[in-house]
Amino acid sequence: GQQVMQIPQYQHVQEGEDFTTYCNSSTTLSNIQWYKQRPGGHPVFLIQLVKSGEVKKQKRLTFQFGEAKKNSSLHITATQTTDVGTYFCALTGGGNKLTFGTGTQLKVEL
Amino acid sequence: DGGITQSPKYLFRKEGQNVTLSCEQNLNHDAMYWYRQDPGQGLRLIYYSQIVNDFQKGDIAEGYSVSREKKESFPLTVTSAQKNPTAFYLCASSRAGDGTDTQYFGPGTRLTVL
Repeated sequence: GQQVMQIPQYQHVQEGEDFTTYCNSSTTLSNIQWYKQRPGGHPVFLIQLVKSGEVKKQKRLTFQFGEAKKNSSLHITATQTTDVGTYFCALTGGGNKLTFGTGTQLKVEL
Repeated sequence: DGGITQSPKYLFRKEGQNVTLSCEQNLNHDAMYWYRQDPGQGLRLIYYSQIVNDFQKGDIAEGYSVSREKKESFPLTVTSAQKNPTAFYLCASSRAGDGTDTQYFGPGTRLTVL
């Protein structure tokens, strides 16, 4: 089946530092979604990328889809304590279902 | 977020008992999903349903069963055959079941089997 590698698994940063998580697929993707799960909460949709090389921004968050549509990244500029949580990428897989990455857990220290 | 309810939030059961987790949505979504999440892990798909009266196995369906008799409801039964049922269970729905639509998650049920 489709494999989704997400790195790093954990990231600790000082507040104000930048953060990036990467999602890599073994196959070419039609689209990719990103979700955020706060500690003790449930995943919440952030964004969907569809086009090769697409870049979308949401305030301090920048999402990018690779030119070959096999990878994606989420970059957070100047992290804040509200950014704490686990960030998941999700890919459309066989059988019309999403396959979630393993997630990157972000901790932000004051 | 809103529109999907799961109950109860916490559930305790004795080993060997079947237990049914509730999931209801009022978003008029066609597709519904059940995921399992273990501590520090990602989401693994148990079952999904793209339309009423139809459902498909996900990646870890063994020991679980579902039904989809109504559009708004997709209950999950954790049977005694599930070897390690203690986990966080998340239900989700999407407008369509083609894998490209946003999925909206419920608050989850934390199941502990004693």
